[in-house]
Amino acid sequence: EAGVAQSPRYKIIEKRQSVAFWCNPISGHATLYWYQQILGQGPKLLIQFQNNGVVDDSQLPKDRFSAERLKGVDSTLKIQPAKLEDSAVYLCASTINTPRAYNEQFFGPGTRLTVL
Amino acid sequence: AQSVTQLGSHVSVSEGALVLLRCNYSSSVPPYLFWYVQYPNQGLQLLLKYTSAATLVKGINGFEAEFKKSETSFHLTKPSAHMSDAAEYFCAVIPNSGNTPLVFGKGTRLSVIA
Repeated sequence: EAGVAQSPRYKIIEKRQSVAFWCNPISGHATLYWYQQILGQGPKLLIQFQNNGVVDDSQLPKDRFSAERLKGVDSTLKIQPAKLEDSAVYLCASTINTPRAYNEQFFGPGTRLTVL
Repeated sequence: AQSVTQLGSHVSVSEGALVLLRCNYSSSVPPYLFWYVQYPNQGLQLLLKYTSAATLVKGINGFEAEFKKSETSFHLTKPSAHMSDAAEYFCAVIPNSGNTPLVFGKGTRLSVIA
């Protein structure tokens, strides 16, 4: 079974530029998460999708960050314009939807963004 | 809000020595608790999870953790460290059941000295 795919793996941009990250979750996984992991910290949720709908985007800086999952499969996270403090690893995770109390989240390798 | 606290941002052990990584959680209800490992330039890999079954949980690579409600702890242990265990370890909690996001601790970097 293929895992969660993310691209690009690395990106270096200058501040005020725009950048986009792509995530392809595991086939059949309805729930998709984007986490931001700043160096020296644990990952923090940016946004959660179920199918193509947003479940939680309360921690997404909406003035510069946007995300979409138009067909309920792939997702794109965009930053426009980027700031120095956006330098981080952006992790995508997905999980299947079942009535079980807990469904394991599977993580992609992440995209490491450096803003100069 | 639910949270986890990992004591010690960096732990260093000798090869063959006991590994102990500490995690305490705050929760008003029995939580779901996890330990993840992150190798350099890689994503997160699940080591083990506690989901209200046995309090002693065994994971991959010889790791285990014990859920202690009285101490609100979920410490990760391994009897004998191997060089390949050097990585970043994250404790995480899901506050509620269902597909809710993970809340992570700040992580503990484990170094193994030959």
